[in-house]
Amino acid sequence: DVKVTQSSRYLVKRTGEKVFLECVQDMDHENMFWYRQDPGLGLRLIYFSYDVKMKEKGDIPEGYSVSREKKERFSLILESASTNQTSMYLCASSLYPGGQETQYFGPGTRLLVL
Amino acid sequence: ILNVEQSPQSLHVQEGDSTNFTCSFPSSNFYALHWYRWETAKSPEALFVMTLNGDEKKKGRISATLNTKEGYSYLYIKGSQPEDSATYLCAYPRAGGYQKVTFGIGTKLQVIP
Repeated sequence: DVKVTQSSRYLVKRTGEKVFLECVQDMDHENMFWYRQDPGLGLRLIYFSYDVKMKEKGDIPEGYSVSREKKERFSLILESASTNQTSMYLCASSLYPGGQETQYFGPGTRLLVL
Repeated sequence: ILNVEQSPQSLHVQEGDSTNFTCSFPSSNFYALHWYRWETAKSPEALFVMTLNGDEKKKGRISATLNTKEGYSYLYIKGSQPEDSATYLCAYPRAGGYQKVTFGIGTKLQVIP
């Protein structure tokens, strides 16, 4: 079974802090994704990566950056956390590029920015 | 960003009832449609990938149909059980590589014992 793990389930940070959210997948998937989920909105894509060191902006990349130094690990960085980044963050991976590929999700990190 | 709509947003049914809900998506440039189930405190997990008009897929008591010409998919649950309580998401890969996926806001199902 594919396993996608996220470094924390819950995180509390202060405004202005630099925040790192880590995601690891164990099935050699090429693609990795970061989403956020907010009440009343669908999952929204922040960034995705289709290969090591390759990344592409999603729909809401402002205030975020990402890093993929190794195939199995994809990090989401909040450069200077703000209260409007309080949200549930979900990481996902898929084996190959393409819209027919199933995405496998981590359990999510619920981030509170005070 | 394309519009993917799910209805209803929430649903309460009694154990044993059958239920269904809808995902609507743009009918042009259709490539695939995904259904996921997201139980509280767990990871979303894939139910179905649907690719062809008229597709019907089934997993146990859950089935899904697809109409790409009119841009909708139905998810059916027969004889709902408390363990079916979850949020059901549909996801639509967008043209231009299909890497970017638009998710609906989901249908939250609660099955009352």
